[in-house]
Amino acid sequence: EMVMTQSPATLSVSPGESATLSCRASQSLGSNLAWYQQKPGQAPRLLIYGASTRATGIPARFSGSGSGTEFTLTISSLQSEDFGVYYCQVYNNWPPVAFGPGTKVDIK
Amino acid sequence: QVQLVESGGGVVQPGRSLRLSCGVSGFTFSIYAMHWVRQAPGKGLEWVAVISYDGRNKDYADSVKGRFTVSRDNSNNTLHLQMHSLSADDTAVYYCARGDSDGKNAYWGQGTLLIVSS
Repeated sequence: EMVMTQSPATLSVSPGESATLSCRASQSLGSNLAWYQQKPGQAPRLLIYGASTRATGIPARFSGSGSGTEFTLTISSLQSEDFGVYYCQVYNNWPPVAFGPGTKVDIK
Repeated sequence: QVQLVESGGGVVQPGRSLRLSCGVSGFTFSIYAMHWVRQAPGKGLEWVAVISYDGRNKDYADSVKGRFTVSRDNSNNTLHLQMHSLSADDTAVYYCARGDSDGKNAYWGQGTLLIVSS
C-alpha cells in the first residue's frame, strides 16, 4: 500500500516570502506526483503534475521538484490568494491513487 | 468549458443506501476514466473509486469495497456512485473528477455533501 506523508502540517508565511512544502512516498513512484491547492468550500485545483509541470494557468511562482520518493512544492513570493491547504497525490493511469494528509499554508 | 456537477447528496440514516451522480459536459466523457474522491468534514482528501472509460474496469478504496459501486452511462455523460450500508464514517463531501490518460485529476466537480446521521 502506497502511503504519502507531508510536512510540515502547518506553515505560517508572510506575504512576499517563499514557502517550501515536502511530500514523501513510501515507495518509489517515478514522477507520477501531483500537487493540488484547496481553499475552504472549494474543490481541489491541480497545480503541478509529473512532479514538476505546471498545470494550465498556474503562475510561475509555483514550482515542483523531486522524483522517486521525495518531492517538493515551492511557492515563491506568496500572494494572499495562495493561502490554503496543499495536497500531494500519487497517480497512475490506474490505481493505486493516494493523497497526502495536506499542508495548511496560512498567514503569519 | 469542462464542467462536472455532482448531485444526490443529503442526509441519510445509518444503514441506508444512496446514489450520487455526476453530470459532465465540455469534454468527450466516453474516453476518460472517472474518479470519486471524498473529504470528511475538516479532513483531507480520500480517493474512493475509479471506473475505466468503458465501464469495464473498476477499483475501490478498501474502506468502501463491497459497499459502494461505481458505474457510468456514456450515452448520457453521467457517472454514478451507489452506496450501501452507510455509516457515520461515510459523511463527507463527495467529488467526481476526470482521470486524464496519465491518471492525474485536472478537473473536479464542486462536490455534494452526504451526511449519515440518525
